[in-house]
Amino acid sequence: GESVGLHLPTLSVQEGDNSIINCAYSNSASDYFIWYKQESGKGPQFIIDIRSNMDKRQGQRVTVLLNKTVKHLSLQIAATQPGDSAVYFCAENNAGGTSYGKLTFGQGTILTVHP
Amino acid sequence: ETGVTQTPRHLVMGMTNKKSLKCEQHLGHNAMYWYKQSAKKPLELMFVYNFKEQTENNSVPSRFSPECPNSSHLFLHLHTLQPEDSALYLCASSQDPIRQSGGVFGPGTRLTVT
Repeated sequence: GESVGLHLPTLSVQEGDNSIINCAYSNSASDYFIWYKQESGKGPQFIIDIRSNMDKRQGQRVTVLLNKTVKHLSLQIAATQPGDSAVYFCAENNAGGTSYGKLTFGQGTILTVHP
Repeated sequence: ETGVTQTPRHLVMGMTNKKSLKCEQHLGHNAMYWYKQSAKKPLELMFVYNFKEQTENNSVPSRFSPECPNSSHLFLHLHTLQPEDSALYLCASSQDPIRQSGGVFGPGTRLTVT
């Protein structure tokens, strides 16, 4: 049959609102997580990371929350701006005691910010 | 500019062609990566190089052949590709090969196989 593309979750917010983007990860042994932002025509851009020994980490206007019990990661963006419109990816890493880790990416969420 | 450059930015090739993608990083990182981003799947890691040595080949078909002559340059040689190989090919680098923390991506090469 014909292949279809990914149907990415979407989130639409008004400028100035707070945004919450969610991600469920698959590997309970993953011990490091990253959020990336990808604008049209560009490669992914690192936003913020968190290790599994933490449940919250804050950056500039962004906060990442980690719930290992339910394998859930979220990215909160405060006072969302039109320039925040992009696709947001979470990624998990499990070095597993090996010398080299491997990032596994989620499918992404499209964030659209309306002026 | 992120410090990771990729050329060409766009490439159209036939299935019998041979072409190469180039990546260069100016960040002093020791690890470099090739990723594939297609409309049908999440971003997929293809290859990892650390200090010029290949440390990961994520079950990539042999029609994709990476080369890392030094820590600053990474190539992806392409031959006898299939239409389903059409995708955005992203190069990335990081100082930390384990966590890929602080990893930086290039803008990608948009490849179309006809």
